[in-house]
Amino acid sequence: EAQVTQNPRYLITVTGKKLTVTCSQNMNHEYMSWYRQDPGLGLRQIYYSMNVEVTDKGDVPEGYKVSRKEKRNFPLILESPSPNQTSLYFCASSSTRVNEQFFGPGTRLTVL
Amino acid sequence: QKEVEQNSGPLSVPEGAIASLNCTYSDRVSQSFFWYRQYSGKSPELIMSIYSNGDKEDGRFTAQLNKASQYVSLLIRDSQPSDSATYLCAVDSGYALNFGKGTSLLVTP
Repeated sequence: EAQVTQNPRYLITVTGKKLTVTCSQNMNHEYMSWYRQDPGLGLRQIYYSMNVEVTDKGDVPEGYKVSRKEKRNFPLILESPSPNQTSLYFCASSSTRVNEQFFGPGTRLTVL
Repeated sequence: QKEVEQNSGPLSVPEGAIASLNCTYSDRVSQSFFWYRQYSGKSPELIMSIYSNGDKEDGRFTAQLNKASQYVSLLIRDSQPSDSATYLCAVDSGYALNFGKGTSLLVTP
């Protein structure tokens, strides 16, 4: 089954404790992206990757890091999480940047 | 800033009626347009894509695009209670999709 997976699905953590949210797709897509979704603000792009070892900032990259060492994986790293990073996070992938993006199930993160 | 605007709603329609959802965008060079459906707490699900001016139909859904007016819409015919969700308009801006904040649709039995 073609899919984008994310782990964990739910996470409660404390300020400053480094965490990683994993994202993996099995569709051989080149383009992958991370979004956060907040009430009243909609979906905002954090980082994206056009291919292996090619990443760039989206609209809200502060406080986040990403890497793309393999085509299928695109982890999101929060080196020192803060409460304002409490949000619903989605990973998405598409065959190219202009094609339809497929979303993972989401990760609900709470930073205390 | 490339903007995608949608009326937040809620848009309430009776079961069986046509729901009309609208979206305007600011980037004149955008070429690709998408409609996603999102149920509460779930991930966005692609329901329609449109790239050329005019109408595109898929089952009960019709997407309409007018690049001159920078306007894209989604019509849902024979609306069902299961169509109750938030509908997100997304516009390609080069290296990303810009999303509107969504329109909440409520279909009442």
